[in-house]
Order: sequence, then C-alpha cells, then structure tokens
Amino acid sequence: DTAVSQTPKYLVTQMGNDKSIKCEQNLGHDTMYWYKQDSKKFLKIMFSYNNKELIINETVPNRFSPKSPDKAHLNLHINSLELGDSAVYFCASSFPGTGGTEAFFGQGTRLTVV
Amino acid sequence: AQKVTQAQTEISVVEKEDVTLDCVYETRDTTYYLFWYKQPPSGELVFLIRRNSFDEQNEISGRYSWNFQKSTSSFNFTITASQVVDSAVYFCALFTYGQNFVFGPGTRLSVLP
Repeated sequence: DTAVSQTPKYLVTQMGNDKSIKCEQNLGHDTMYWYKQDSKKFLKIMFSYNNKELIINETVPNRFSPKSPDKAHLNLHINSLELGDSAVYFCASSFPGTGGTEAFFGQGTRLTVV
Repeated sequence: AQKVTQAQTEISVVEKEDVTLDCVYETRDTTYYLFWYKQPPSGELVFLIRRNSFDEQNEISGRYSWNFQKSTSSFNFTITASQVVDSAVYFCALFTYGQNFVFGPGTRLSVLP
C-alpha cells in the first residue's frame, strides 16, 4: 500500500496552461506539504497545510495554490505555467504532534513546461 | 532562521571505502528534529533516520551510523564499507514547529566499483 501517492508521475504541458497535481496520503497524518526540487536538486518548501493552517512560502508565486478537499488530500494547482516552473514536485505528509515524525514523500511529479 | 548546510556537494569513493557525509544545522529552537533522506537515481526520497534535539545518542543501523553533536550543531552520517547501491543524493533536514522541514542542499555520493 502506497503511503503517499501523487499523480501524475510525469506531466508535459505548454506555457500558459493550467494544470493540477494530485496528492493523497493514507497514513492518517494531519499535515501535508508540497516541495519543489529544481535541477540542482535543491528542495524548497512551497506550502505546508493542516486542517487548521496554511503556511505559504512567501517566495511562491500566487499562480500556485494548494487545495485540500479533506485531510488526506492536498492537490497543487498551477495557473499560467511558465518555463521556470519545470521541476520535480514532491508531496509529503507528517504528523508533527508532540513527538514529531519524519515526512513521508510521494514519488514525485516531473513537470516539464515547453 | 533555520538553515541546514551540507558542505560536500559531491563525493566519490571506491566500493568498500568508508565515507562520512557532513551536516551542520542552525536553529534557535531548543526542540527540533534532524533527519537524513536518501534520493537514489530513481528519484524517490527515502527516510533513513530521525533524531530529536534531546537525544544525542549515536545510532548504528547496519552499515549506517549517525553522529549527533549539539555542541557543534552537527549531525553527520557515515557509511561503512560503501557499496555501489549507496550511490545517491543524501539530504540532511531539520524540523522545527515554527518552520516545518528545511532541507540541506544535498550531497551526491558516487560509489565506484
């Protein structure tokens, strides 16, 4: 059973299009994240979200928006895609609680904007 | 602000050599968690270990060992008798309740046969 699953794994699209990446976790975690990994392998947090609070990295353009229909899902919507959006996007979940847990990651979505 | 530094961008070793990956972190929080993740060529991020700030006990898991020293804000990772399958990018990460997860830039390890 996959703990954190993302779809699609690969996404190729043209500039200006709007696209979504879906993420689901079956771990019962209360916090989910989106990370962007650029070509140099840097992992930067874009959003963290639990059922109470959305924390947005201020450097993320407002063309990116997270949507959480329920606790187990955190989808990423991207409007007006640009060439610079090409990257691998990772969804993750954790249960910070009082003990803190590791983040479990999805397999990543490689987005290519042409 | 939270920060994680991995000074070694790339390391190459020959199989069976021991190798240590360095990680230095910065935080003003007294409660925090440190992690190591492995990203093999297939691209997924694999969790390796978690330590909390109150537990400086070193840990060994098979060929892997971790040395956590609060005095130097370091959480180094050693692979003993490296194997080709250890070739990957390794990330050190810091979690604090205010900043969530912050990752270091990664160290690319190449183990040559």
